[in-house]
Amino acid sequence: SQQGEEDPQALSIQEGENATMNCSYKTSINNLQWYRQNSGRGLVHLILIRSNEREKHSGRLRVTLDTSKKSSSLLITASRAADTASYFCATLSSGNTPLVFGKGTRLSVIA
Amino acid sequence: NAGVMQNPRHLVRRRGQEARLRCSPMKGHSHVYWYRQLPEEGLKFMVYLQKENIIDESGMPKERFSAEFPKEGPSILRIQQVVRGDSAAYFCASSPPGTGTDTQYFGPGTRLTVL
Repeated sequence: SQQGEEDPQALSIQEGENATMNCSYKTSINNLQWYRQNSGRGLVHLILIRSNEREKHSGRLRVTLDTSKKSSSLLITASRAADTASYFCATLSSGNTPLVFGKGTRLSVIA
Repeated sequence: NAGVMQNPRHLVRRRGQEARLRCSPMKGHSHVYWYRQLPEEGLKFMVYLQKENIIDESGMPKERFSAEFPKEGPSILRIQQVVRGDSAAYFCASSPPGTGTDTQYFGPGTRLTVL
């Protein structure tokens, strides 16, 4: 069953603004990962946060994880037009198991 | 080190035909996962294979779909007697051997269109 649920489904912002996407899940996890997908293309792995971590940074990306609320957020700072894509969270319950993806947030950054 | 390769990238079939999708994992990887993405949806797990073994096929329809990962050669996802509802992007991912592996490397996908 689909575990991750992203919120909002779609987000439109101006270039230079920050974009925040949220993800909720239902069962216990080993880690949570965020991916980006440009229209009609494959997935690009962005960042992984483990269940014992609360926050992680990578460049303009900041991910938080609240295991008590079973939720995560992805913040993209100083957005660019090139950030326009769909963003998915995916959870992993343990090693060598399938990833469970949410339906994604479609981000549009307007120049 | 080449990434995960999938071919064909685009495949068009008429209803009732067979579709064969190929996935070559990264060098040294022995775990392969297949996912399906319907339009405007996230990816959904189909099947997880290790060399010559199906580990988990809980996400794969019981009829018309089959998967294999032979000792030599790529992993194959086969869809027999395709229907319009099979139109989707099919992604495979691979990971290295060993327990506790939590990183999967995705291929570019095969986009199947059923006319």
